[in-house]
Formats: sequence, structure tokens, C-alpha cells
Amino acid sequence: DQQVKQNSPSLSVQEGRISILNCDYTNSMFDYFLWYKKYPAEGPTFLISISSIKDKNEDGRFTVFLNKSAKHLSLHIVPSQPGDSAVYFCAASDQETSGSRLTFGEGTQLTVNP
Amino acid sequence: NAGVTQTPKFQVLKTGQSMTLQCAQDMNHEYMSWYRQDPGMGLRLIHYSVGAGITDQGEVPNGYNVSRSTTEDFPLRLLSAAPSQTSVYFCASRASGGPNEKLFFGSGTQLSVL
Repeated sequence: DQQVKQNSPSLSVQEGRISILNCDYTNSMFDYFLWYKKYPAEGPTFLISISSIKDKNEDGRFTVFLNKSAKHLSLHIVPSQPGDSAVYFCAASDQETSGSRLTFGEGTQLTVNP
Repeated sequence: NAGVTQTPKFQVLKTGQSMTLQCAQDMNHEYMSWYRQDPGMGLRLIHYSVGAGITDQGEVPNGYNVSRSTTEDFPLRLLSAAPSQTSVYFCASRASGGPNEKLFFGSGTQLSVL
């Protein structure tokens, strides 16, 4: 069963507008969430993270929101830039393994059109 | 500072052949891991290690062996390759300390098993 789910395989937005990428999870033991970005032929790179004790974390143009009651998090990119075009993975870590086992979603391909 | 280095970048095997995917990091990270990326499945954890001499299974360990004799290296062995092991493999490392430490990924090995 997929414990971390990204239901949108792809998203297309115009440059300058907001990109919103969504992620849902089922395991209530998850206590830390991360977003990674991946360009073709490269490994994923860390983007932003959030602890379950917070509901929002911001880093420049990137903001992650966490709704624990809904088991939902989202990544907002404002304003979107063509260089943001990449695959975005949501990942979660559970308390029991203290981050030793990250569970990733399927990924969302973001395309930002000039 | 090279980060996480994976070799080879591409490999084609015949069913039943064996091979080792190499992974080395120069950041003195205690934690290392192997993931495979398949379309529509995201990144799935194969094996991980929290330090030299210590390894554990991830989500999809069958058909793969690992060992960790040094802090720097974490090779992944396929003893008898199967077509189901066709995938892109990523090695990742991070400092010890928990889920808030970000993972650093290598650039990947694309493996095809015929």
C-alpha cells in the first residue's frame, strides 16, 4: 500500500504564477516531511522540510503547509520560474525509525511555461 | 568535494548475471542508503546502513545484498539479475542525527536486465 501519495502525476503553470503540489499520507506515525526536487539525469536534491509540530515552513519562494488532521501537505512555489520545472517528490519519516526509512510519494512533474 | 559518487552510470545485464553497483561518499556521513526509482512508484528504499558494519532492509530488499565495511563505501550487489530489477538506482547519504538531516543523492545508475 502506498503510504505517501501524490495524486497528480503532472502540473503545468505559467511563469510568475503559483504552483501548488499536493501530498497525502496514511501513516499517523509520520512526524517529519520533506520535499525533494529532481531534474532529468540527476539525483534528487533536498528542497524544504517540516516537522509535525509545525503547520508551515517557508524558505524564499517555497512554502510547505502541513494539515495533520487531514494527513495532507502541500508545497507552494511563488512566483514559479521556468527553472522550477522538475519532478517533485514528497517524503515522510516516522517516529519509530527516527528517519532511517524515508517513504517517498510517486512524484509530480511540474512544468513552468515562460 | 565530490559528494555521493555512483558507478557505473549505465549498465545492461542478461538475466542471471551478477553485478555490483558502487557508491562512495566523501562527506563522512554515517547513514547511507539505496533506492530504486520506477515509473509511477516513486523512490523505494532497498537497504540502508547507519554506520560501518551495520545494515538493514528497506521496503524492497529481495534480490539485493549490501555490506558496509567502511564509512565511505556502500556497494549494492545483484546476485542473479532479473528483468524486474530494471530500474534507476540511487545511492544517498546523510549525517547521523535523525530525519531533519537532508539526504544527498548520487546521480543514479540506469540498469537494464534483458
